Amino acid sequence: GENVEQHPSTLSVQEGDSAVIKCTYSDSASNYFPWYKQELGKRPQLIIDIRSNVGEKKDQRIAVTLNKTAKHFSLHITETQPEDSAVYFCAARPGTTGNQFYFGTGTSLTVIP
Amino acid sequence: DAGVIQSPRHEVTEMGQEVTLRCKPISGHDYLFWYRQTMMRGLELLIYFNNNVPIDDSGMPEDRFSAKMPNASFSTLKIQPSEPRDSAVYFCAVKGVDTQYFGPGTRLTVL
Repeated sequence: GENVEQHPSTLSVQEGDSAVIKCTYSDSASNYFPWYKQELGKRPQLIIDIRSNVGEKKDQRIAVTLNKTAKHFSLHITETQPEDSAVYFCAARPGTTGNQFYFGTGTSLTVIP
Repeated sequence: DAGVIQSPRHEVTEMGQEVTLRCKPISGHDYLFWYRQTMMRGLELLIYFNNNVPIDDSGMPEDRFSAKMPNASFSTLKIQPSEPRDSAVYFCAVKGVDTQYFGPGTRLTVL
């Protein structure tokens, strides 16, 4: 089955700096990669996603890049703000099943004012 | 927000008691997922349904756990008997076109 690894597990940045979180996956048939943000005590919420036929996607200060050859994808947050502090999860959806997500272990991001 | 409702939001019970968690998804979603989240194990998929039929329950930890989906707008996750190690946040999620949308979760504490 699919295996998703996420790094780093914790990340601290100064406000205004950029943050990068990386994930790797094992199943080359995986075709959809969402990123979720989970604030303390809240539900995971989708912040951005990318399909396997796209190499990069951007939404304001957030971007995701995908390298299918290397089987890794990354979340980039620019001009970080204190409200970006949360746990971020990546996930991969195998193309063979099309329904089940395999989640990374999460990255706790702290933005220092 | 796909309008997934979970109840109760918090549950505190004693070891050995039966616990029933409820999920009410907005209609129109064919897939429903139950997850458990803990600090140690992260987000774990327990079971998921397609059109009310259980498709994959390989994540259900033990026979003490059972899940049902009697109709498209209601699902339950039952733990009987509960144990302290079952303490976690349990999420219900539904599938949109591609992604999954999570409910607010139920925080379960088993004393």
